[in-house]
Amino acid sequence: SAVISQKPSRDICQRGTSLTIQCQVDSQVTMMFWYRQQPGQSLTLIATANQGSEATYESGFVIDKFPISRPNLTFSTLTVSNMSPEDSSIYLCSVKDGTRSNQPQHFGDGTRLSIL
Amino acid sequence: LAKTTQPISMDSYEGQEVNITCSHNNIATNDYITWYQQFPSQGPRFIIQGYKTKVTNEVASLFIPADRKSSTLSLPRVSLSDTAVYYCPDSGNTPLVFGKGTRLSVIA
Repeated sequence: SAVISQKPSRDICQRGTSLTIQCQVDSQVTMMFWYRQQPGQSLTLIATANQGSEATYESGFVIDKFPISRPNLTFSTLTVSNMSPEDSSIYLCSVKDGTRSNQPQHFGDGTRLSIL
Repeated sequence: LAKTTQPISMDSYEGQEVNITCSHNNIATNDYITWYQQFPSQGPRFIIQGYKTKVTNEVASLFIPADRKSSTLSLPRVSLSDTAVYYCPDSGNTPLVFGKGTRLSVIA
């Protein structure tokens, strides 16, 4: 399976600032996604990162708050903008190579973000 | 919203077999059933996938009845290191939709 690297692995930020999280995959993949996992909770999908076009956001998430880039088939970034303490979460990159149901998604180890 | 349901938590002693069942009431004909394991400070890890009957790998077994409305993840002889959250996400969607998962606690 693809090896997914996220940077940074963790950070502590001041409210009102922005942070960009990078996701690098060791092979080309068809699909890339970003999830959020709040403390003690399950994973919530933020958006699908589309190569060469705007990301597709889930209900409750907007581009101004979570701008996403995907310049190629191995790399994506998620920016958390104008952060507040409520944004303290783990942000996870996920990939899937293909669209068939029997091709599993794989996840990075996430970026643990704390906002003071 | 997740379309699968599973117990919130389970406890087990070391060395026992653990079975976690998931309901897939809205599963579609072409959907595969997948299970993930998540340790603290790590992302979910794919552990097993199946379409019907039984699948076994080095980590677990997966049992799927003929109607495919449920699945059972079986962990043989659990150890303390199997303490984790186990998810059976709704695989009818790409990307996956996760429910709350089952928090398995293995006790010495």
